[in-house]
Amino acid sequence: DAGVIQSPRHEVTEMGQEVTLRCKPISGHNSLFWYRQTMMRGLELLIYFNNNVPIDDSGMPEDRFSAKMPNASFSTLKIQPSEPRDSAVYFCASSLLAGGYNEQFFGPGTRLTVL
Amino acid sequence: KNQVEQSPQSLIILEGKNCTLQCNYTVSPFSNLRWYKQDTGRGPVSLTIMTFSENTKSNGRYTATLDADTKQSSLHITASQLSDSASYICVVSASGTYKYIFGTGTRLKVLA
Repeated sequence: DAGVIQSPRHEVTEMGQEVTLRCKPISGHNSLFWYRQTMMRGLELLIYFNNNVPIDDSGMPEDRFSAKMPNASFSTLKIQPSEPRDSAVYFCASSLLAGGYNEQFFGPGTRLTVL
Repeated sequence: KNQVEQSPQSLIILEGKNCTLQCNYTVSPFSNLRWYKQDTGRGPVSLTIMTFSENTKSNGRYTATLDADTKQSSLHITASQLSDSASYICVVSASGTYKYIFGTGTRLKVLA
């Protein structure tokens, strides 16, 4: 298995533009997580999907952020409009199940820079 | 409030030396604790997982300890190598929840 795949790896955009991050989880994994990582706050959970259904989106900072999982093999995180404070590394992670002893497998991340 | 705190924030050591990273948590009810290694430009990768009943677990030159009474864990790296330069993140899972509580990590730099 190729592991969790994320694209793009790097994204540079201007304030006000729409940004879409993509994720392909490991086949057979039922849980998918989107995280944001900054130096100051570390890894923060944005949203958690179970069997393609959003279970917890309390970490999504504002209405500018939205996430979808149309099927078991694809998820997107969209920011519209983007702001400079959204600059961070965004990780997608998947696991067979959520919580407990289930290991999360992380993608390589998307480094977002908003100018 | 469930929290995970790590120390030190950063550490620089010479190749071949040993080091110990600390993790204190206030997560309840406790399920397990993982140490992740995150290389620059990559996602975190699990090194070890420890449950309530485990005191020590090794993975090559990495040895994790857990004291469930004091809610402390440590990660000891023996005979460090340049490839150990990375961030090490402590993650605690609470029983009956899907949430993982992350520490902010320790950035380790190993110098030749």
